Amino acid sequence: ETGVTQTPRHLVMGMTNKKSLKCEQHLGHNAMYWYKQSAKKPLELMFVYNFKEQTENNSVPSRFSPECPNSSHLFLHLHTLQPEDSALYLCASSQREADTGELFFGEGSRLTVL
Amino acid sequence: GQNIDQPTEMTATEGAIVQINCTYQTSGFNGLFWYQQHAGEAPTFLSYNVLDGLEEKGRFSSFLSRSKGYSYLLLKELQMKDSASYLCAVLDSNYQLIWGAGTKLIIKP
Repeated sequence: ETGVTQTPRHLVMGMTNKKSLKCEQHLGHNAMYWYKQSAKKPLELMFVYNFKEQTENNSVPSRFSPECPNSSHLFLHLHTLQPEDSALYLCASSQREADTGELFFGEGSRLTVL
Repeated sequence: GQNIDQPTEMTATEGAIVQINCTYQTSGFNGLFWYQQHAGEAPTFLSYNVLDGLEEKGRFSSFLSRSKGYSYLLLKELQMKDSASYLCAVLDSNYQLIWGAGTKLIIKP
């Protein structure tokens, strides 16, 4: 198993749909992150979970709803999205939050909102 | 505000050397990271600098000057597989990662 796995890799949805992105890490890490990556823009931190507790919500609209049932799994629930939400959504993990260690990223879920 | 600047795109020739610069203005400093991201793939860790100076790791080296708010990534003996985006990120005083927009490096034969 690779370190951080994200599914689906590609998702197309209408503005009224409800879908979920899934992330799973097999590294024994305690912190997990959702990032949004748009073309030619810096990575935007959306949510952070440390030991399953949400420690960061970076002013993300409520149409994005995270869920962390355990230290290995992270979900991003999507509903009534807007076309400007189309982007690559990256999941990452690290030993713990606020760490000087490296982040391990998944390959991302490419989301297109029609 | 906090800011990381790096060139949007650079082009270099196979076998040559290229230097990708990164300047930063952040609230405090707890280290600087470089990540590599091939198109359609996950960003992967390249280096971490917290002290001034040059860190060498094979064909890749990373330099830091904290007094100047400046870092560079040096890639030697360029190979076609080095074509990728290179992301600079700084860990600020609150241990938040501040990211640059990335530099797309194009390697030509």
